[in-house]
This record gives sequence, C-alpha cells and structure tokens, in this order.
Amino acid sequence: AQTVTQSQPEMSVQEAETVTLSCTYDTSESDYYLFWYKQPPSRQMILVIRQEAYKQQNATENRFSVNFQKAAKSFSLKISDSQLGDAAMYFCAYRAIQGAQKLVFGQGTRLTINP
Amino acid sequence: DAGVTQSPTHLIKTRGQHVTLRCSPISGHKSVSWYQQVLGQGPQFIFQYYEKEERGRGNFPDRFSARQFPNYSSELNVNALLLGDSALYLCASSFTTGTPISGTEAFFGQGTRLTVV
Repeated sequence: AQTVTQSQPEMSVQEAETVTLSCTYDTSESDYYLFWYKQPPSRQMILVIRQEAYKQQNATENRFSVNFQKAAKSFSLKISDSQLGDAAMYFCAYRAIQGAQKLVFGQGTRLTINP
Repeated sequence: DAGVTQSPTHLIKTRGQHVTLRCSPISGHKSVSWYQQVLGQGPQFIFQYYEKEERGRGNFPDRFSARQFPNYSSELNVNALLLGDSALYLCASSFTTGTPISGTEAFFGQGTRLTVV
C-alpha cells in the first residue's frame, strides 16, 4: 500500500521569507500523481500544485514550486515571499494512475506566518 | 460558479444512531469521493463513485455506505454510530476519473463536522 509521510508537524516563517515543507512517499508504481493541498481554518481543501511523476520538470504555480526527486521518493513544497494568507495546514497527497481515484494524504504540516 | 456543496455543515448525533451526509458536486462533474478527517490527521479515503457506480472503497466497516444519484449528487450513510466516527467528512468532485491528470483533479467541499456523543 502507498504511504505518504510529512515529518514536520509544524513550521513557521517570517512574512516575505521562503519556507520549504517536506514530503516523502512510498510506492512500487512507476507512474502516479502527487499533490499539495492547503487547508485553512475554513476547512476546505484547496489544491496548491500538482506533479505528474513521468515529468522530470518541477511544477511551479506563482509563488509555489516543488522539488520532485523521483528516485528518492521526495516531493517538497517551496513557498516564496510568504504571505499572511498562506497560513494553513498543508497536506501532501499521492494518487495512483490506475484504479480508484483515491488520494493518500500525509499527516499534514501546520504553517504559521509571522508578521 | 458554485463549488462543491455539502450539507449539513455541523451535526451532533448520539451513539447508535444513523446519519446521512449530502454532497452536490460542481456542475458537470461526474465523480464524487468521500473522505474522513479525524482531528489532527490527514483525510482518509472512504468511497469513490463515478457515473453512479462505486469505483473504490477504503478500509471502512460496512456501517459506511454511499450512493450517487442520476444528477451526480451523493449521500454518505453511516449506521450504528460510534464515538470514533466523530470527524470532518469531506466530499470531493472531479469532472472525470483516471487519466490524464487534467480533468481529474479533486475539488473539495467545506465538509460536514460530525460529533457523536
């Protein structure tokens, strides 16, 4: 079974600085999808960024980028120019290509932005 | 455009009771998935329905059941509630399922907070 591990329960960063959230996963599949979701206090999970495993190029969405290391099964999220609105729980998630559209989530990292 | 809507937003039930949670997907989305998020943990997959058929089931007891209607809305039913069923229940919809990734990204609702006392 696939597993996702986020080893940082909490992180904090000064506003306008850069922070990196870590994620590792375990799978025997060669092709799959990886995601980062943000969950603010409103509870709604919001998709931040996605990565297809067959693509070597790291995904980027404005201030958000990933460092995808397939051999190491690592998928970290970098947030540049942190803003107060970035404060939330961040979840890393894995989805297999085949079978049910099932997201496997990590335990989450609580990100605090200090003004 | 309306996002994924879930009802009710909060619910308090007594042990042993039955509960029905409802989800309306984004217009045009045919896949609905349900997740349970216990406080302090990541969401756990319960079910996926696509075109009214069950496509996947997580490691949950038979007390959990779901269905999808012709308009693609969905219900999650939980029988014989236990204290451990207290959680945030999230519904996610997507346009289709499988591959490619475009069109299969999951969009989540705000969840139903279920408290069992």
